[in-house]
Formats: sequence, C-alpha cells, structure tokens
Amino acid sequence: SQELEQSPQSLIVQEGKNLTINCTSSKTLYGLYWYKQKYGEGLIFLMMLQKGGEEKSHEKITAKLDEKKQQSSLHITASQPSHAGIYLCGADDGDYKLSFGAGTTVTVRA
Amino acid sequence: EPEVTQTPSHQVTQMGQEVILRCVPISNHLYFYWYRQILGQKVEFLVSFYNNEISEKSEIFDDQFSVERPDGSNFTLKIRSTKLEDSAMYFCASSEETGVPDEQYFGPGTRLTVT
Repeated sequence: SQELEQSPQSLIVQEGKNLTINCTSSKTLYGLYWYKQKYGEGLIFLMMLQKGGEEKSHEKITAKLDEKKQQSSLHITASQPSHAGIYLCGADDGDYKLSFGAGTTVTVRA
Repeated sequence: EPEVTQTPSHQVTQMGQEVILRCVPISNHLYFYWYRQILGQKVEFLVSFYNNEISEKSEIFDDQFSVERPDGSNFTLKIRSTKLEDSAMYFCASSEETGVPDEQYFGPGTRLTVT
C-alpha cells in the first residue's frame, strides 16, 4: 500500500492569509484525493487529481498534482474560519482502495 | 445533494458481543467500502465490495468481520465478537465508476466503543 507523508502536521494561520499543505508519496499515484475532516466527524470530499500536472480549484481551494504524480499540494487562498479542520490526502493504489496520510490540522485565527 | 448515511452514529457494546453497522450508499453507486479510524490514528481501509462480493480486503479484515448488502440499499459491516481494540470510528464510502479511480464519498461515521 501507499505511504503518504503530509506536511506540515499542523499549522495556524491568520484569517485572510494563504496556506499550503503538501502530500508526498514514494510511489506513482493513480489517483490523489483531498478530504477535509472535522474532529470526530466524517470525511468531506474536496477534490480528486489523476493526471500529471493537473490542477483543480473549488472556491478558494486549489489542488495540484506534479508531473511525476508523486506529490500534491493543497492551497487555500485568503483563509476563513470555515477552512479550519483536518485535511487528509488519500492515494488510490490502483485497486480502488485509499491509503491516507496522517492529516494536517489547520487552525484559522480571527 | 445525495449523501452516504450511516446508523447508528454511536454504538457502545461489551467485549465479545456482535455489532452490525449500517450504511446506505448513494443510490447509483456501484462500489462500497468500509474504513476505520482509531482515535488519533490514520484512516485505514478495511474492505471494498462490488457486485455482491468482496473485491479487496486488508489484513485488519479478519474472520471476525463480514460485509453484506442484504437489499438494494443497505450495506452492513458485522463484527462477530468485538474486542477492545475494535473501538474506532467506522466510515462507509461509495463510488460510482468501476475500472477507474473515482470519487469516494464518505458517510459521517459510526463511533464504536467496546467496553
């Protein structure tokens, strides 16, 4: 299965500032997924990336997958309190089961 | 917007008891999954299910676990004889496509506490 490293483990950002989370795999990714989780709750699907160099945006969140398909970043522009939570990256091994990173805890300070 | 639902939201059981966790996947989805997350740890894959049979299962999914799609809408996870270490959040997920990576939508989870 995939081993995914997420960085940073946690971050605190001032409201209105940008932030970036990284996810690195030791293997080529068939699919890279980003989810958001509030503590003790379910996973909310954000985006899925499949092709090398792909970039997707939804509202103020942009995710990119590098050309080698081993690294992804999630960027939030002008963060708001609603962006607080735990961001998880998940990788598809090629057999439709996901392996997840440990998560990045985002705190947005007003 | 269609969503995956799970019941109950919280289940407390005694060690050695059987529990059944229930999920209703999104109606046109064909692939179903169970994951679990022990408190403070990563989300871990348990099992995937397609066309009324298990597609893939992890080392965690031993003989104590079973899955079933008893009717056209429910998808269940049964733990026959619960252990303390089964305490975790259990997530059901579903996806539409077959043969390609596709978006997996997760339910809100069932928190299982084994005492």
